[in-house]
Amino acid sequence: DQQVKQNSPSLSVQEGRISILNCDYTNSMFDYFLWYKKYPAEGPTFLISISSIKDKNEDGRFTVFLNKSAKHLSLHIVPSQPGDSAVYFCAAIEGGATNKLIFGTGTLLAVQP
Amino acid sequence: DTAVSQTPKYLVTQMGNDKSIKCEQNLGHDTMYWYKQDSKKFLKIMFSYNNKELIINETVPNRFSPKSPDKAHLNLHINSLELGDSAVYFCASSQEPGYTDTQYFGPGTRLTVL
Repeated sequence: DQQVKQNSPSLSVQEGRISILNCDYTNSMFDYFLWYKKYPAEGPTFLISISSIKDKNEDGRFTVFLNKSAKHLSLHIVPSQPGDSAVYFCAAIEGGATNKLIFGTGTLLAVQP
Repeated sequence: DTAVSQTPKYLVTQMGNDKSIKCEQNLGHDTMYWYKQDSKKFLKIMFSYNNKELIINETVPNRFSPKSPDKAHLNLHINSLELGDSAVYFCASSQEPGYTDTQYFGPGTRLTVL
């Protein structure tokens, strides 16, 4: 039972364009969402997060949008750079005392020069 | 100076063997985790320790036993290895176990069971 889904296994965009990565979730108890970025042979690294009380959070070139009614979030990267090429994991946490991340399966982003 | 380190990076072993993976963090964090990424790329939490106390224990076979000798270390011991244990195992740490505390991941240990 996959509670966090990333339906696009891969995405290719041109350098300078916008990359949009999507994530859907099923558990309405999730109240905190994160994006992690992963390069080959490395561990995931935290990118950006959003609380369920917000619908947008921005950090430089990265913006995360949350649509609670649709149980959908997206990560926008603009402008995309070749160094952004990596696997992006969406993750969610239920409100509570422990930091139990529930990950999606990831989207491989390739930014073409 | 790596923040979260794991040893070994690669581990190839036979079915039925017992093996350990070590994790160390130098961030001064109180909470550490083990995750498993299987062949389908699902990344799932296995265990979490806070101040050497087990706080998350997912439905993991009891052949897997985490050990936290101190706050900076969380080792994973696996008994009677099976083919299905082949995966990449990631260690992570966070300042607190609170749900908004950022988790910092190690580089992973690729375990192959033959």
